[in-house]
Amino acid sequence: GIQVEQSPPDLILQEGANSTLRCNFSDSVNNLQWFHQNPWGQLINLFYIPSGTKQNGRLSATTVATERYSLLYISSSQTTDSGVYFCAVATLETSGSRLTFGEGTQLTVNP
Amino acid sequence: NAGVTQTPKFQVLKTGQSMTLQCAQDMNHEYMSWYRQDPGMGLRLIHYSVGAGITDQGEVPNGYNVSRSTTEDFPLRLLSAAPSQTSVYFCASSYGGNSYNEQFFGPGTRLTVL
Repeated sequence: GIQVEQSPPDLILQEGANSTLRCNFSDSVNNLQWFHQNPWGQLINLFYIPSGTKQNGRLSATTVATERYSLLYISSSQTTDSGVYFCAVATLETSGSRLTFGEGTQLTVNP
Repeated sequence: NAGVTQTPKFQVLKTGQSMTLQCAQDMNHEYMSWYRQDPGMGLRLIHYSVGAGITDQGEVPNGYNVSRSTTEDFPLRLLSAAPSQTSVYFCASSYGGNSYNEQFFGPGTRLTVL
């Protein structure tokens, strides 16, 4: 099956700093999503971005499908950005019905 | 809308016991899925459904059963609980018959098997 690798595994920032999280995947995908899991365990969808660039406030994401990677940018980080960020993908082989998650990046933003 | 609800929030079982984790959504979503999350790992797909009456296996289906008799409900059954099934279980749903659209997650069920 498809492999999803996220880096870095852990990231510690001071409030106000910018960061870039990376997601590499081993096969062509037709579905790529970024999620944030807050410290209380709740999972929130951030972006559906199988290709191209999207922005939502201080967050933006870019997927370069031909090179099999996606980047999540967080600007002017806040303590509420803390948590785990997951990338998840699905392939044409499964008709997009099966999402495979990476192991996540644990982000800690200190005040 | 209540969104995606899961019950119970916490559960402790003894090895060999069976139980059902409940998942319901009130958004008329066709696609529903169950994941388990183990410490330091991402979510792994257990089973999914692309509509009422249709279910299929995910990455780690062994030891679990599902059914989808209505659009709203997607229960997950543990047939004979084992310590290896200690985990946090998440249910998710989305519009459409696949995972392409925004996934809405429930709050999770933390299960411990002794």
